[in-house]
Amino acid sequence: GQQVMQIPQYQHVQEGEDFTTYCNSSTTLSNIQWYKQRPGGHPVFLIQLVKSGEVKKQKRLTFQFGEAKKNSSLHITATQTTDVGTYFCAAGRWAGSYQLTFGKGTKLSVIP
Amino acid sequence: DTEVTQTPKHLVMGMTNKKSLKCEQHMGHRAMYWYKQKAKKPPELMFVYSYEKLSINESVPSRFSPECPNSSLLNLHLHALQPEDSALYLCASSTTGQLGYGYTFGSGTRLTVV
Repeated sequence: GQQVMQIPQYQHVQEGEDFTTYCNSSTTLSNIQWYKQRPGGHPVFLIQLVKSGEVKKQKRLTFQFGEAKKNSSLHITATQTTDVGTYFCAAGRWAGSYQLTFGKGTKLSVIP
Repeated sequence: DTEVTQTPKHLVMGMTNKKSLKCEQHMGHRAMYWYKQKAKKPPELMFVYSYEKLSINESVPSRFSPECPNSSLLNLHLHALQPEDSALYLCASSTTGQLGYGYTFGSGTRLTVV
């Protein structure tokens, strides 16, 4: 599968501060997906980005796909304790069926 | 129904046991997946089924044997596992297509091999 590097590995923020995680690839991605996994839970699909330069928003979450389709970011404005969890980007490719390869994830801790 | 149901939620098995993990979805998804997730690691793809046929096997040892009896069910048969196989096993499903679609994951089976 396609390799994606995700940074940072961990992020501790004070409640109300912003948070950003970055995902980078050495090759052009056909699309990228973002997932959230709460502690003890399972990954939950957040969004898919397909177009070059695409920006999508979900309430306090902003997702971007780079112009070259080699990088993506997830930005959370004014974090809340409910945002705690690990955020994964995942690169998709078609190889007879659709295959996702996950980045290593960014674990977000929010200090109340 | 927008869920993927996995059973059992927890499983402890000996290295000589045979057990099966089950996964069920009724969303009409024709692609189903098995992922393995170790603690503090991302999910790793094991198998992909597309229209009930195995399309991807990510070099998984033969002690893991997948089965897709119909479009709603996915099984993972386990035999002669090793302690290092202890992990969270996640089933997922999605719409098929080259454009890609978000996966719906089940809550997983937490497997401990003793």
